[in-house]
Amino acid sequence: SQQGEEDPQALSIQEGENATMNCSYKTSINNLQWYRQNSGRGLVHLILIRSNEREKHSGRLRVTLDTSKKSSSLLITASRAADTASYFCAPYSGAGSYQLTFGKGTKLSVIP
Amino acid sequence: DAGVIQSPRHEVTEMGQEVTLRCKPISGHNSLFWYRQTMMRGLELLIYFNNNVPIDDSGMPEDRFSAKMPNASFSTLKIQPSEPRDSAVYFCASSSASKETQYFGPGTRLLVL
Repeated sequence: SQQGEEDPQALSIQEGENATMNCSYKTSINNLQWYRQNSGRGLVHLILIRSNEREKHSGRLRVTLDTSKKSSSLLITASRAADTASYFCAPYSGAGSYQLTFGKGTKLSVIP
Repeated sequence: DAGVIQSPRHEVTEMGQEVTLRCKPISGHNSLFWYRQTMMRGLELLIYFNNNVPIDDSGMPEDRFSAKMPNASFSTLKIQPSEPRDSAVYFCASSSASKETQYFGPGTRLLVL
């Protein structure tokens, strides 16, 4: 498995603004997943984008994937205080193993 | 579905004591993962099972740590003897063979004094 690296490490925005987080990885992938962790809770799966997809939407979330640059971005539009959490990307290489390796994440603070 | 269930949710123990953490994966899932999360090291994969068989335990820090999965609906992570540096939040997650996403439990917050 390989680890994604999220950037920035921390992000603070006002409620209503958009938040963009980036993820870079090193080797080819089958898919890339984004997870959210609220303080003191387990990770929650947000969205999965496959290597043959370039963009995917889910509610206020938009994920892009650029396999040539080995990078992905997560955009949260019209942020809310409830979006305050840490966000992790997990590149998945496949090959019969469902092992994911998580990075340090991006800590997002949405100020009301 | 109840989701992944972990017990206990909080554990406070003294150094040298044995600690057993428990996990019940989502019914029908055949992969189970144990993670440890600390401020310093982030989220670390300790071990994972596929069809009750340990596949990769390279993340298990020392021989003091052991994990078992006697059947598809139950797994334990044991620390014996425990040390203060084992203090962390331990998460269990499960996934299905047909989906790559993982479903996390609420975690066990362990404090070793």
